[in-house]
Amino acid sequence: DVKVTQSSRYLVKRTGEKVFLECVQDMDHENMFWYRQDPGLGLRLIYFSYDVKMKEKGDIPEGYSVSREKKERFSLILESASTNQTSMYLCASSGGGQQETQYFGPGTRLLVL
Amino acid sequence: AQSVTQPDIHITVSEGASLELRCNYSYGATPYLFWYVQSPGQGLQLLLKYFSGDTLVQGIKGFEAEFKRSQSSFNLRKPSVHWSDAAEYFCAVAANDYKLSFGAGTTVTVRA
Repeated sequence: DVKVTQSSRYLVKRTGEKVFLECVQDMDHENMFWYRQDPGLGLRLIYFSYDVKMKEKGDIPEGYSVSREKKERFSLILESASTNQTSMYLCASSGGGQQETQYFGPGTRLLVL
Repeated sequence: AQSVTQPDIHITVSEGASLELRCNYSYGATPYLFWYVQSPGQGLQLLLKYFSGDTLVQGIKGFEAEFKRSQSSFNLRKPSVHWSDAAEYFCAVAANDYKLSFGAGTTVTVRA
């Protein structure tokens, strides 16, 4: 069974803290994605990666960075968390080709105080 | 750039009744279209996808969707809704660089 796991389901951080969200997939997928989900806005792409050490900006990359040192792991980093980054963060992975299904993790609900 | 519109924010349907969720897309080339479902507290699960061939696509959990190029639509249907279908549903379109663009979602409430 395919599996995308995220390091935390719930996270509470203070403004200005550095935050790491980890995502691991066990499907040997080339592509990995980080989305942010907010009510009424659907999912918005923050960053994606199509290979190890490769990254591309999505639609809303400001305030975020990513790291992909190994094929199975894709990390989202909030360098200095702010209250407007309070959100649900979803990680996904897919094989090559735009018709390939993206498989999603359960999400991390982040609250920044 | 591609985009997706889901005109209905919230739909309430009685158990056993039929359900139709609307999705309109904007994309210059042949679209790759997806419907995902998100149950409360869960990640997204693929219901079905279309990328070529028969315009009526069958998915999991008894769902189907029809691609209509002339109307730029990809509406999702289910003939008889179960209480477990209460969830949020997202339509998405894929560009030629593997990125998905999602609609804002439609929340479905099922009443007994």
